[in-house]
Amino acid sequence: AQSVTQLDSQVPVFEEAPVELRCNYSSSVSVYLFWYVQYPNQGLQLLLKYLSGSTLVESINGFEAEFNKSQTSFHLRKPSVHISDTAEYFCAVSEFGGATNKLIFGTGTLLAVQP
Amino acid sequence: KAGVTQTPRYLIKTRGQQVTLSCSPISGHRSVSWYQQTPGQGLQFLFEYFSETQRNKGNFPGRFSGRQFSNSRSEMNVSTLELGDSALYLCASSQQENTEAFFGQGTRLTVV
Repeated sequence: AQSVTQLDSQVPVFEEAPVELRCNYSSSVSVYLFWYVQYPNQGLQLLLKYLSGSTLVESINGFEAEFNKSQTSFHLRKPSVHISDTAEYFCAVSEFGGATNKLIFGTGTLLAVQP
Repeated sequence: KAGVTQTPRYLIKTRGQQVTLSCSPISGHRSVSWYQQTPGQGLQFLFEYFSETQRNKGNFPGRFSGRQFSNSRSEMNVSTLELGDSALYLCASSQQENTEAFFGQGTRLTVV
């Protein structure tokens, strides 16, 4: 079984400051890792994913995440946030090589960017 | 390419009634999964369908059921609604196994 922990339920940050949203996972098997973002009254949008290859993955809007197998972490970072980044961010895992697309989600982190 | 479409977007039902939610996946996607999102429990997996077969099921009572049609469209049904079933129900489609999931905007169900 897998589980995902997002220790920070809310992260307040000023505009143009850097931010890190933490994600740790637990699994007895190898996993794929994802970050999704949810704006109010919307569904989830895929922000970035780690399936294989380079452990550093980047999104088109400046976010990046690094897969650290030894620490079982997949923290999300952005060097300079904007007001428009205010949203809830969910870390998720799915079983590597399993015949499923089932996602296990963390409890989410609300990123609140202040002017 | 059209995204995942869920209908209706909003729904209000009375306790004891039943409800059916619909999900049209991205064209060519064969896997459809359903999730329930509530403030208290977060995002919880309901079930997954692949080529009309239920492949995985979460820990929900039998009142929650689903199906997938030959065109990959999926429906989920909740019978004997309870107040606690009030939630945002999200559908996600994937092209095949072990690929990323694309989510619809969800159906907001309110049980009164």
